[in-house]
Amino acid sequence: DVKVTQSSRYLVKRTGEKVFLECVQDMDHENMFWYRQDPGLGLRLIYFSYDVKMKEKGDIPEGYSVSREKKERFSLILESASTNQTSMYLCASSRGTENTGELFFGEGSRLTVL
Amino acid sequence: AQSVTQLGSHVSVSEGALVLLRCNYSSSVPPYLFWYVQYPNQGLQLLLKYTTGATLVKGINGFEAEFKKSETSFHLTKPSAHMSDAAEYFCAVSGPASKLTFGTGTRLQVTL
Repeated sequence: DVKVTQSSRYLVKRTGEKVFLECVQDMDHENMFWYRQDPGLGLRLIYFSYDVKMKEKGDIPEGYSVSREKKERFSLILESASTNQTSMYLCASSRGTENTGELFFGEGSRLTVL
Repeated sequence: AQSVTQLGSHVSVSEGALVLLRCNYSSSVPPYLFWYVQYPNQGLQLLLKYTTGATLVKGINGFEAEFKKSETSFHLTKPSAHMSDAAEYFCAVSGPASKLTFGTGTRLQVTL
């Protein structure tokens, strides 16, 4: 089975803490994405990457950064967590050579910032 | 730029009834259109997609959608709802290089 694995399903952090969300895919996909999901707002793109060491801002990058040192791994970093970053975070990947938009998602990481 | 609008954040149907979830899109280029489903406490999975060719697209679990360019719509239907169809459904449109823009989602409730 192809898989996108997010390291933590549930996290509770305090305001100001640094938070790492890890995502690993085993499908040799070129593209990887981080989305944020909030009720009534759907999914909003935070950052994406088309290749190792490459990143591009999505629609809501403020307060976030990313790292892609290896093809299979894409990390989302909250340098100083704030309560308005309490949300569900979804990682996804897709093939780079096909513009079909088919994304494969992880199960999500629910972050609570107190 | 692309965008999608899903009409109705919550839809409730009886088991065995028709399911109709509405999606309208806006796109400056010929769109690729998708429906994804999210079951509780899970990530999203692809239900069906339209890229080119036949405008009526069949997906998994008996769902289908029809691309209507004149109406800029891509509504999702299923003839007979099952309890297991209860989930959140997202319409999405693709721009260049596989970057999807999602709608706000429609939560489907199926009652006995």
